[in-house]
Amino acid sequence: AQSVTQLDSQVPVFEEAPVELRCNYSSSVSVYLFWYVQYPNQGLQLLLKYLSGSTLVESINGFEAEFNKSQTSFHLRKPSVHISDTAEYFCAVKDTGKLIFGQGTTLQVKP
Amino acid sequence: DAEITQSPRHKITETGRQVTLACHQTWNHNNMFWYRQDLGHGLRLIHYSYGVQDTNKGEVSDGYSVSRSNTEDLPLTLESAASSQTSVYFCASSVGGAGELFFGEGSRLTVL
Repeated sequence: AQSVTQLDSQVPVFEEAPVELRCNYSSSVSVYLFWYVQYPNQGLQLLLKYLSGSTLVESINGFEAEFNKSQTSFHLRKPSVHISDTAEYFCAVKDTGKLIFGQGTTLQVKP
Repeated sequence: DAEITQSPRHKITETGRQVTLACHQTWNHNNMFWYRQDLGHGLRLIHYSYGVQDTNKGEVSDGYSVSRSNTEDLPLTLESAASSQTSVYFCASSVGGAGELFFGEGSRLTVL
């Protein structure tokens, strides 16, 4: 079975600084990877996904993630964060139709 | 617009009581899922269904049950609520294959 490890439970960062949220998954022949974001008291929303093709995927609000097969990683990055990016971020891998989630990383953006 | 709704959004109950959390989606998705979210554990899969009359156990299914009598609904039942089941519960649905999951707003359950 697939598994996902998010290496940081909390990431504090100042506004306009770059950030990286780390995610590693267990290896598989083919893999679908996702990043979801959860704002306070809300459900999860899809941020971006990797299914196939280009290893670099982007979201509409400036986040990007790179699929690295050799390192079994799918780290999320943003070159300059905003206060509004404060949220919980979940990495997930698809395993026979269902999503397996990591433990989550709390991104705390400070002014 | 299509959506997925959960009810109730908040519930307080007592140990030993039966509780049912409702999940209704209008996406016409075949796949539906129940997760629980706890600090330090992320989201853990409780039960899931790939279609009408199909149900499957996830990694934390003990003490929970689901039934799928139509495409739109997957109610989650706690047969005899325990304090360890205090959590936030999320329902989700997907079209299948590589399709993304769409989540409800969550149901916060407190078992006293």
